[in-house]
Amino acid sequence: AQSVTQPDIHITVSEGASLELRCNYSYGATPYLFWYVQSPGQGLQLLLKYFSGDTLVQGIKGFEAEFKRSQSSFNLRKPSVHWSDAAEYFCAVGADDSWGKLQFGAGTQVVVTP
Amino acid sequence: SQTIHQWPATLVQPVGSPLSLECTVEGTSNPNLYWYRQAAGRGLQLLFYSVGIGQISSEVPQNLSASRPQDRQFILSSKKLLLSDSGFYLCAWSPRLTRDGYTFGSGTRLTVV
Repeated sequence: AQSVTQPDIHITVSEGASLELRCNYSYGATPYLFWYVQSPGQGLQLLLKYFSGDTLVQGIKGFEAEFKRSQSSFNLRKPSVHWSDAAEYFCAVGADDSWGKLQFGAGTQVVVTP
Repeated sequence: SQTIHQWPATLVQPVGSPLSLECTVEGTSNPNLYWYRQAAGRGLQLLFYSVGIGQISSEVPQNLSASRPQDRQFILSSKKLLLSDSGFYLCAWSPRLTRDGYTFGSGTRLTVV
């Protein structure tokens, strides 16, 4: 069965520190992978996506993610977080055989402390 | 450019009342359309998706229904709301290719009282 796991429900990080959010997937086909961010009371915004090519992808707001096929992971990173990065982050996976549907992880809530 | 509109932003409805949430997409044709619900502190639950006019697939049995009367219009409805229908409802669209991902609307906060 297809699944997406975000092992960390909640992460607290100091402003200026680095951030890494974990995402593991189980998918039979070659997956397309996405990270979305959601600010309180808002819709989700696409940060970055991967479907082929270079396994290190750059996104908006200074985020990057690395696809590791051997580990079935697509972890999101940011070298130095800003207070405005406090939000909920969702990993999602899809494939060409999924009728465009994406499977979302449960989300990781990021709190940024001064 | 493509935009997605979702309204209303906030809604408070009594138990047993009907519901109609609307979502429209501009700047594209033949989009895939999706309705998600996000309960407090929980992830995203896919409710319905549509790949064309009049084509609706339901992911979970529930008190809700969806319709797509026009190519770029997606409506979420209920005849009688339950308390458990409270949540944050998100509409999204995508092109035909999965690799492009979704674009989400700004959401509707529904509180059933």
